[in-house]
Amino acid sequence: QVQLQESGPGLVKPSGTLSLTCAVSGGSISSSNWWSWVRQPPGKGLEWIGEIYHSGSTNYNPSLKSRVTISVDKSKNQFSLKLSSVTAADTAVYYCARVHQQLVSPWGQGTLVTVSS
Amino acid sequence: NFMLTQPHSVSESPGKTVTISCTGSSGSIASNYVQWYQQRPGSAPTTVIYEDNQRPSGVPDRFSGSIDSSSNSASLTISGLKTEDEADYYCQSYDSSLWVFGGGTKLTVL
Repeated sequence: QVQLQESGPGLVKPSGTLSLTCAVSGGSISSSNWWSWVRQPPGKGLEWIGEIYHSGSTNYNPSLKSRVTISVDKSKNQFSLKLSSVTAADTAVYYCARVHQQLVSPWGQGTLVTVSS
Repeated sequence: NFMLTQPHSVSESPGKTVTISCTGSSGSIASNYVQWYQQRPGSAPTTVIYEDNQRPSGVPDRFSGSIDSSSNSASLTISGLKTEDEADYYCQSYDSSLWVFGGGTKLTVL
């Protein structure tokens, strides 16, 4: 079965760039699925960041679009998130997920990224 | 912008039935599919309902979803409540193909 695992620095300095990777195991990233990023600030609700198809097509949350880049690396069977010009408001648990039609499953376990100097 | 509004919290006793609503701010909520996610404390979300009323494999049939066009709302109903159902529940739909989440509802089973 497909499993997702997020990885990346847990601490990013203000004005820096947050970079995370989601490794896909048990299946191919080139399958007919979208691959998404969702975040959750501490004690708050879920916020969709964006998604990518293996062809490279992307959709982004308009509120983050100017700072977000999602990319796919088929050779490594993974996809990545870059969020630039981060502030404390970007501190959150970041989740990656597979989306098949409307079914979001599985989700990664999530990784906490703290923005602080 | 399209928004989804959920009650902040609901509570019910074990064995009872609870319904969580998710109201769309504009347009017709029936125009796009609605999904529901369960998030237990300290865990990642999991999908309990997708495409308005479909259950993923492994989700018990105590969980059901529905759409009420007259109130422009989606609902998640959990019957035969168990203490393990205590969690945050989020609805999610789309606005021009972009995801929109509701604010979440904390379900307490006491």
